Amino acid sequence: EPEVTQTPSHQVTQMGQEVILRCVPISNHLYFYWYRQILGQKVEFLVSFYNNEISEKSEIFDDQFSVERPDGSNFTLKIRSTKLEDSAMYFCASDRSRTNEKLFFGSGTQLSVL
Amino acid sequence: KNQVEQSPQSLIILEGKNCTLQCNYTVSPFSNLRWYKQDTGRGPVSLTIMTFSENTKSNGRYTATLDADTKQSSLHITASQLSDSASYICVVSLNDMRFGAGTRLTVKP
Repeated sequence: EPEVTQTPSHQVTQMGQEVILRCVPISNHLYFYWYRQILGQKVEFLVSFYNNEISEKSEIFDDQFSVERPDGSNFTLKIRSTKLEDSAMYFCASDRSRTNEKLFFGSGTQLSVL
Repeated sequence: KNQVEQSPQSLIILEGKNCTLQCNYTVSPFSNLRWYKQDTGRGPVSLTIMTFSENTKSNGRYTATLDADTKQSSLHITASQLSDSASYICVVSLNDMRFGAGTRLTVKP
């Protein structure tokens, strides 16, 4: 079965540092998403991306965050200056269509900000 | 206010037993409701997806029901196995996906 791949699986960083979380969506998918899950809390939507631009973003996705699809296969989430409260599991997801009927999640990147 | 509420928050059952997890939502209208299984440290995996016009959907030992009038859904797990231990998340979608906080299920031998 196809899968969404995320790297690294764990990332530890110092507060104020920049981090880039990487995702390789399923190859024929066109819609891409980032979600986060703070330990013990529910999954939260961050941003959706289609046709090389952001289609929707949540209140969490402020100016510290950015997304990019630099080379047609990778989909990245950058946090410019990390804060302690950015510590969470970050999930990438992709889908073939807008309906999200076949939405696949990656295994996540656990980000720890010290 | 979370628009998708799940109960119980956690549940412990013995292997082989059945269980039912509940989801109440206020998202209306919606396009679909889905149940995900999330193993610890992993991404959610889709179990079932139902449109607003469907009442039930099965996937092996998992059966989801939907009552659009009362805005309730349930996930019934039959003959539980140790590998069913996970969080089960209810998600209601219209233009975006609204996640519940999940029910943490532990199946003990």
